[in-house]
Amino acid sequence: DTAVSQTPKYLVTQMGNDKSIKCEQNLGHDTMYWYKQDSKKFLKIMFSYNNKELIINETVPNRFSPKSPDKAHLNLHINSLELGDSAVYFCASSFTLDRAANTGELFFGEGSRLTVL
Amino acid sequence: AQSVTQLDSQVPVFEEAPVELRCNYSSSVSVYLFWYVQYPNQGLQLLLKYLSGSTLVKGINGFEAEFNKSQTSFHLRKPSVHISDTAEYFCAVTWPGPGYSSASKIIFGSGTRLSIRP
Repeated sequence: DTAVSQTPKYLVTQMGNDKSIKCEQNLGHDTMYWYKQDSKKFLKIMFSYNNKELIINETVPNRFSPKSPDKAHLNLHINSLELGDSAVYFCASSFTLDRAANTGELFFGEGSRLTVL
Repeated sequence: AQSVTQLDSQVPVFEEAPVELRCNYSSSVSVYLFWYVQYPNQGLQLLLKYLSGSTLVKGINGFEAEFNKSQTSFHLRKPSVHISDTAEYFCAVTWPGPGYSSASKIIFGSGTRLSIRP
Protein backbone atom coordinates (compact mmCIF):
# COMPACT_ATOMS: atom_id res chain seq x y z
CA ASP A 1 0.00 0.00 0.00
CA THR A 2 1.52 3.28 -1.12
CA ALA A 3 1.09 5.95 1.56
CA VAL A 4 1.22 8.98 -0.75
CA SER A 5 0.60 8.25 -4.39
CA GLN A 6 0.70 10.63 -7.31
CA THR A 7 -0.21 10.19 -10.93
CA PRO A 8 1.10 10.39 -13.51
CA LYS A 9 4.75 9.71 -12.74
CA TYR A 10 5.88 11.17 -16.04
CA LEU A 11 4.21 13.83 -18.14
CA VAL A 12 5.53 15.19 -21.44
CA THR A 13 3.51 17.91 -23.10
CA GLN A 14 3.68 20.91 -25.40
CA MET A 15 3.80 24.55 -24.35
CA GLY A 16 0.37 26.07 -23.95
CA ASN A 17 -1.36 22.85 -22.95
CA ASP A 18 -3.26 22.29 -19.70
CA LYS A 19 -2.41 19.32 -17.47
CA SER A 20 -3.30 17.91 -14.08
CA ILE A 21 -1.45 15.87 -11.47
CA LYS A 22 -3.36 13.92 -8.86
CA CYS A 23 -2.35 13.02 -5.33
CA GLU A 24 -3.90 10.77 -2.72
CA GLN A 25 -2.76 9.83 0.77
CA ASN A 26 -4.05 6.98 2.94
CA LEU A 27 -2.26 7.99 6.14
CA GLY A 28 -5.17 9.85 7.72
CA HIS A 29 -3.26 13.14 7.56
CA ASP A 30 -5.13 16.42 7.49
CA THR A 31 -2.52 18.57 5.72
CA MET A 32 -1.26 18.12 2.18
CA TYR A 33 1.33 20.00 0.15
CA TRP A 34 2.65 20.53 -3.34
CA TYR A 35 6.38 21.10 -3.76
CA LYS A 36 8.30 21.92 -6.94
CA GLN A 37 11.83 20.55 -7.34
CA ASP A 38 13.89 22.17 -10.05
CA SER A 39 16.81 20.72 -12.01
CA LYS A 40 19.22 21.72 -9.24
CA LYS A 41 17.17 19.73 -6.71
CA PHE A 42 15.98 22.86 -4.91
CA LEU A 43 12.62 22.22 -3.20
CA LYS A 44 10.10 25.03 -3.10
CA ILE A 45 6.71 24.82 -1.45
CA MET A 46 3.85 25.88 -3.66
CA PHE A 47 0.65 25.15 -1.76
CA SER A 48 -0.58 23.64 1.46
CA TYR A 49 -4.09 22.57 2.36
CA ASN A 50 -5.44 21.72 5.80
CA ASN A 51 -8.75 19.86 5.84
CA LYS A 52 -9.53 21.11 2.34
CA GLU A 53 -8.72 24.72 3.24
CA LEU A 54 -5.88 26.54 1.48
CA ILE A 55 -3.39 27.71 4.11
CA ILE A 56 -0.18 28.30 2.18
CA ASN A 57 -0.08 29.86 -1.24
CA GLU A 58 3.43 30.88 -2.11
CA THR A 59 4.26 33.17 -4.99
CA VAL A 60 3.06 30.87 -7.71
CA PRO A 61 1.57 32.00 -11.05
CA ASN A 62 -2.19 31.78 -11.05
CA ARG A 63 -1.90 29.32 -13.93
CA PHE A 64 -1.41 26.81 -11.10
CA SER A 65 -4.62 25.92 -9.32
CA PRO A 66 -4.76 23.35 -6.53
CA LYS A 67 -7.97 21.57 -5.63
CA SER A 68 -8.71 19.48 -2.58
CA PRO A 69 -12.01 17.59 -2.82
CA ASP A 70 -11.39 16.01 0.57
CA LYS A 71 -8.54 15.84 3.03
CA ALA A 72 -7.11 12.70 1.43
CA HIS A 73 -6.75 14.24 -2.03
CA LEU A 74 -4.93 17.25 -3.41
CA ASN A 75 -4.75 17.78 -7.15
CA LEU A 76 -2.75 20.31 -9.12
CA HIS A 77 -3.98 21.76 -12.38
CA ILE A 78 -1.68 23.81 -14.57
CA ASN A 79 -2.98 25.99 -17.40
CA SER A 80 -1.03 27.28 -20.38
CA LEU A 81 2.13 25.36 -19.60
CA GLU A 82 5.46 27.13 -20.11
CA LEU A 83 8.98 25.79 -20.55
CA GLY A 84 9.89 26.97 -17.04
CA ASP A 85 7.24 24.72 -15.55
CA SER A 86 9.41 21.70 -16.35
CA ALA A 87 10.30 20.18 -12.98
CA VAL A 88 9.48 17.35 -10.63
CA TYR A 89 6.36 18.04 -8.59
CA PHE A 90 6.07 16.34 -5.23
CA CYS A 91 2.96 15.84 -3.20
CA ALA A 92 3.40 15.41 0.56
CA SER A 93 1.22 15.07 3.63
CA SER A 94 1.44 15.43 7.40
CA PHE A 95 -0.60 16.10 10.48
CA THR A 96 -0.90 19.76 11.47
CA LEU A 97 1.88 20.79 13.81
CA ASP A 98 -0.32 21.70 16.74
CA ARG A 99 -1.67 18.18 16.94
CA ALA A 100 0.01 15.97 19.48
CA ALA A 101 0.31 13.25 16.87
CA ASN A 102 2.49 15.37 14.65
CA THR A 103 6.20 15.89 14.83
CA GLY A 104 6.47 17.86 11.64
CA GLU A 105 7.44 14.88 9.51
CA LEU A 106 6.37 15.03 5.89
CA PHE A 107 5.53 11.97 3.87
CA PHE A 108 6.30 12.37 0.18
CA GLY A 109 5.00 10.81 -2.97
CA GLU A 110 7.44 9.58 -5.60
CA GLY A 111 7.10 12.70 -7.70
CA SER A 112 5.66 13.60 -11.09
CA ARG A 113 8.24 14.63 -13.65
CA LEU A 114 6.77 17.25 -15.97
CA THR A 115 8.57 18.05 -19.20
CA VAL A 116 7.28 20.93 -21.29
CA LEU A 117 8.52 21.00 -24.89
CA ALA B 1 13.03 34.80 9.60
CA GLN B 2 13.93 31.17 9.71
CA SER B 3 16.37 29.70 7.20
CA VAL B 4 18.44 26.61 6.54
CA THR B 5 21.87 26.49 4.92
CA GLN B 6 23.60 23.42 3.58
CA LEU B 7 27.11 24.58 2.88
CA ASP B 8 28.17 21.74 0.60
CA SER B 9 26.30 21.10 -2.62
CA GLN B 10 28.33 17.94 -3.30
CA VAL B 11 30.34 15.63 -1.07
CA PRO B 12 32.34 12.83 -2.72
CA VAL B 13 33.72 10.16 -0.41
CA PHE B 14 35.23 6.71 -0.75
CA GLU B 15 33.29 3.67 0.29
CA GLU B 16 33.72 2.77 3.98
CA ALA B 17 35.02 6.27 4.77
CA PRO B 18 33.25 8.49 7.32
CA VAL B 19 31.14 11.40 6.13
CA GLU B 20 29.69 14.58 7.60
CA LEU B 21 27.05 16.67 5.83
CA ARG B 22 26.70 20.13 7.26
CA CYS B 23 23.52 21.99 8.09
CA ASN B 24 23.12 25.33 9.81
CA TYR B 25 19.87 27.04 10.63
CA SER B 26 18.74 30.47 11.66
CA SER B 27 15.76 30.96 13.94
CA SER B 28 14.63 33.19 16.79
CA VAL B 29 12.34 30.49 18.19
CA SER B 30 12.66 26.84 19.10
CA VAL B 31 12.80 24.57 16.09
CA TYR B 32 12.34 21.01 15.01
CA LEU B 33 15.11 19.75 12.72
CA PHE B 34 15.07 16.98 10.15
CA TRP B 35 17.24 15.21 7.64
CA TYR B 36 15.58 13.70 4.62
CA VAL B 37 17.16 11.46 1.98
CA GLN B 38 16.18 11.33 -1.68
CA TYR B 39 17.41 8.31 -3.64
CA PRO B 40 17.55 8.68 -7.44
CA ASN B 41 14.12 9.02 -9.03
CA GLN B 42 12.32 8.76 -5.71
CA GLY B 43 10.57 11.01 -3.25
CA LEU B 44 12.09 12.21 0.01
CA GLN B 45 11.99 10.01 3.08
CA LEU B 46 12.81 10.84 6.67
CA LEU B 47 16.27 9.85 7.87
CA LEU B 48 16.07 11.29 11.39
CA LYS B 49 14.63 14.16 13.40
CA TYR B 50 15.33 16.29 16.45
CA LEU B 51 12.38 17.53 18.46
CA SER B 52 13.75 17.90 21.98
CA GLY B 53 15.78 16.01 24.57
CA SER B 54 19.05 14.29 23.72
CA THR B 55 21.05 16.29 21.24
CA LEU B 56 22.42 13.17 19.54
CA VAL B 57 19.80 11.66 17.31
CA LYS B 58 20.11 8.29 15.62
CA GLY B 59 18.32 7.54 12.38
CA ILE B 60 17.95 4.83 9.82
CA ASN B 61 20.79 3.24 7.84
CA GLY B 62 23.43 4.04 10.47
CA PHE B 63 23.14 7.82 10.23
CA GLU B 64 23.16 10.14 13.22
CA ALA B 65 23.02 13.89 13.75
CA GLU B 66 23.88 16.20 16.59
CA PHE B 67 21.89 19.29 17.50
CA ASN B 68 24.17 22.11 18.60
CA LYS B 69 22.13 25.05 19.80
CA SER B 70 25.07 27.40 20.38
CA GLN B 71 26.34 26.84 16.85
CA THR B 72 22.84 26.53 15.38
CA SER B 73 23.90 23.40 13.57
CA PHE B 74 22.50 19.96 12.90
CA HIS B 75 25.25 18.07 11.05
CA LEU B 76 24.62 14.58 9.71
CA ARG B 77 27.25 11.88 10.14
CA LYS B 78 27.92 8.28 9.26
CA PRO B 79 31.08 6.47 10.37
CA SER B 80 31.32 4.25 7.28
CA VAL B 81 29.39 4.85 4.07
CA HIS B 82 28.21 2.33 1.53
CA ILE B 83 27.56 2.64 -2.18
CA SER B 84 23.84 2.47 -1.42
CA ASP B 85 24.10 5.76 0.50
CA THR B 86 24.50 7.61 -2.79
CA ALA B 87 21.65 10.11 -2.72
CA GLU B 88 20.63 13.73 -2.20
CA TYR B 89 20.32 14.74 1.46
CA PHE B 90 18.13 17.59 2.65
CA CYS B 91 18.16 19.33 5.98
CA ALA B 92 14.84 20.88 7.01
CA VAL B 93 13.53 23.05 9.82
CA THR B 94 10.10 23.81 11.12
CA TRP B 95 8.81 25.52 14.21
CA PRO B 96 5.88 24.45 16.33
CA GLY B 97 3.31 26.93 17.49
CA PRO B 98 -0.37 27.56 17.86
CA GLY B 99 -2.35 27.52 14.67
CA TYR B 100 -1.40 25.68 11.56
CA SER B 101 -1.15 28.72 9.33
CA SER B 102 2.29 29.62 10.59
CA ALA B 103 3.34 26.17 11.73
CA SER B 104 2.85 24.43 8.44
CA LYS B 105 5.88 25.98 6.82
CA ILE B 106 8.73 23.56 6.62
CA ILE B 107 11.88 25.03 5.12
CA PHE B 108 14.30 22.82 3.23
CA GLY B 109 17.96 23.44 2.61
CA SER B 110 19.31 23.35 -0.92
CA GLY B 111 20.47 19.75 -0.62
CA THR B 112 23.83 17.96 -0.57
CA ARG B 113 24.60 15.31 -3.12
CA LEU B 114 26.55 12.47 -1.52
CA SER B 115 28.45 10.40 -4.06
CA ILE B 116 30.29 7.29 -2.97
CA ARG B 117 33.35 6.11 -4.85
CA PRO B 118 34.29 2.41 -4.74
